[in-house]
Amino acid sequence: DAKTTQPNSMESNEEEPVHLPCNHSTISGTDYIHWYRQLPSQGPEYVIHGLTSNVNNRMASLAIAEDRKSSTLILHRATLRDAAVYYCILSRPYSSASKIIFGSGTRLSIRP
Amino acid sequence: GAVVSQHPSWVICKSGTSVKIECRSLDFQATTMFWYRQFPKQSLMLMATSNEGSKATYEQGVEKDKFLINHASLTLSTLTVTSAHPEDSSFYICSARDPRGNTEAFFGQGTRLTVV
Repeated sequence: DAKTTQPNSMESNEEEPVHLPCNHSTISGTDYIHWYRQLPSQGPEYVIHGLTSNVNNRMASLAIAEDRKSSTLILHRATLRDAAVYYCILSRPYSSASKIIFGSGTRLSIRP
Repeated sequence: GAVVSQHPSWVICKSGTSVKIECRSLDFQATTMFWYRQFPKQSLMLMATSNEGSKATYEQGVEKDKFLINHASLTLSTLTVTSAHPEDSSFYICSARDPRGNTEAFFGQGTRLTVV
């Protein structure tokens, strides 16, 4: 499985944008870039995913580098509820063998 | 949207007893489910892949006789921690992907197991 690299932790101020980076230099052509987040004492929840083009949804935006070797999750206006561990994961298209393997993630803290 | 539900949310058991955790896909059929374990301040570690109608596939280092997985229907997988010991205390999480889509995985809310 291709590996991702994320900073261990980041801090941001409430109501400001947050840019969470992820490096995935060994990504293959069929790997999707997924982001999940885990709030304290909860299971992970899906945030966003993409393949080549930038993506937007109600939670966040995903900016993917042209060579696909890195990506950035963008929270446009952080709230205290966004404090969580964010995981950047590479995943093959769905099949029974497509496991989700978690790295160490980025622990995001939000200052009021 | 699709939901994966786990039960119980937390359980306390005595050392030497067995504990069963259920994972259900509520609005889709899951031929495959995944079980993770998470220790405090650590990431999720994949334990095993649960396959409907066949044996589970365990990750290296996970004892299959210790962590029994049964996937008897397309919407239910169970993880039984047998002869639990305090070192088995952890947060257990299940996951499944909707085969109708090509997108995200859905996770249960997790089960906090404490062995005393």
